[in-house]
Amino acid sequence: QKEVEQNSGPLSVPEGAIASLNCTYSDRGSQSFFWYRQYSGKSPELIMFIYSNGDKEDGRFTAQLNKASQYVSLLIRDSQPSDSATYLCAVKDADFNKFYFGSGTKLNVKP
Amino acid sequence: KAGVTQTPRYLIKTRGQQVTLSCSPISGHRSVSWYQQTPGQGLQFLFEYFSETQRNKGNFPGRFSGRQFSNSRSEMNVSTLELGDSALYLCASSFNTGAGANVLTFGAGSRLTVL
Repeated sequence: QKEVEQNSGPLSVPEGAIASLNCTYSDRGSQSFFWYRQYSGKSPELIMFIYSNGDKEDGRFTAQLNKASQYVSLLIRDSQPSDSATYLCAVKDADFNKFYFGSGTKLNVKP
Repeated sequence: KAGVTQTPRYLIKTRGQQVTLSCSPISGHRSVSWYQQTPGQGLQFLFEYFSETQRNKGNFPGRFSGRQFSNSRSEMNVSTLELGDSALYLCASSFNTGAGANVLTFGAGSRLTVL
C-alpha cells in the first residue's frame, strides 16, 4: 500500500508568519507531487504542483521537493487568516493516473 | 470555462438502497476519476475512466461501479448501501492522461448520507 503521511495538526501560526507543512511518501518511483487546499465543507483546490527536486515558488507559496528523502513541503509566507484550511499533500502513482492523498494538515492562522 | 460539475450535491439514502452520482468534466478533459472522502480514511481513489474505459481501480468492493459516456460525462453507482458508505464523493477531471504531468481538478462533490 502506497502511503502519504502528513501531520494532522492543527498547526497554529500568527498572521504574517511563515507556515511550514510537511509530507512524506512511500513510493520512491513517484514523480509528481501536489498540494491542495480544502476549506471546511468544500472540495480540494489545487495550490501548486512540483516535479523536480528543489524549490518552486508561486506568490506566497513555495513547494519544496527532496526525492532522495521522499518528502515534500509547502511554505506559506505572510500567512493570512484566509489561509486557514486543511492542506492535502497528493502524490501521483508512478505508473498509473491515480493519486494518493495524505490525511491533511489543518492550518489555523490567528489574526 | 466551466469547472467540474457534480450532481446531486446532497442526498440521503437508507441501507440497502442504491445511488447514482453524476459528473461532467471540464470541456476537453477526457479523464475522469472518482474519490471517496471520509473523516477516518481521508481521500481514497475509487476508479478512473478514460475514453469510456475504466483504466484504474482502487480497493473498493464491487458494489462500487462506474461508467463513462462518449461525451466524457461519468456516473458512479453504489449498490446495497451500507452505513459506512456515508461520505463526500468527489469527481476530478484531468487533461494529460499519461504517466507524466497531470493535474486533478475537483468538482464540488456529492455528499451522501446513508441512514
